[in-house]
Amino acid sequence: AQSVTQPDIHITVSEGASLELRCNYSYGATPYLFWYVQSPGQGLQLLLKYFSGDTLVQGIKGFEAEFKRSQSSFNLRKPSVHWSDAAEYFCAASGGSNYKLTFGKGTLLTVNP
Amino acid sequence: ETGVTQTPRHLVMGMTNKKSLKCEQHLGHNAMYWYKQSAKKPLELMFVYNFKEQTENNSVPSRFSPECPNSSHLFLHLHTLQPEDSALYLCASSQEGGTKNIQYFGAGTRLSVL
Repeated sequence: AQSVTQPDIHITVSEGASLELRCNYSYGATPYLFWYVQSPGQGLQLLLKYFSGDTLVQGIKGFEAEFKRSQSSFNLRKPSVHWSDAAEYFCAASGGSNYKLTFGKGTLLTVNP
Repeated sequence: ETGVTQTPRHLVMGMTNKKSLKCEQHLGHNAMYWYKQSAKKPLELMFVYNFKEQTENNSVPSRFSPECPNSSHLFLHLHTLQPEDSALYLCASSQEGGTKNIQYFGAGTRLSVL
């Protein structure tokens, strides 16, 4: 079955520190991959996407993600976290004959001053 | 502002009430989606409409009834809900229902069933 796993439920970092949020997928073929962010009381906003080509993709708000086929991973990174980055982050995938988005359970990011 | 507007933002209803959630998209998209977001669970896809036709019903109980009168509007009619239906209901739209199509989400309706 297709699945997306975000191993970390909650991560706390200090402002200015680097960040990496993990995402692993299980799909029959290479899926299309997405990262979304959800601020409190808001819907989901797309940060970045990977369809094909360069495995390092740049997104909005200074985020980037790297697709690693060998590890079935699509980890999200940011070199220096800002307090406004505190939110919940969702990894999602779609692909093959299934156009539906499969979401991970999310990682809640807390940023300490 | 994502171009997808949901109303109301908050809704409290009793188990015997009938209410409707509304979603409107201003993006010129042809596919629209309803998701349920509960605490500690992944987003659950409920319904998909592609060019106004329902293409997905993810085993949703009949107390949830979707309606898509045109490609810009999507409703979710609610009746005789249960307390476990309390959740954030998110609407999304995409250019069409394909794998590469990016979904844009509304801010959601927070539903509480008493």
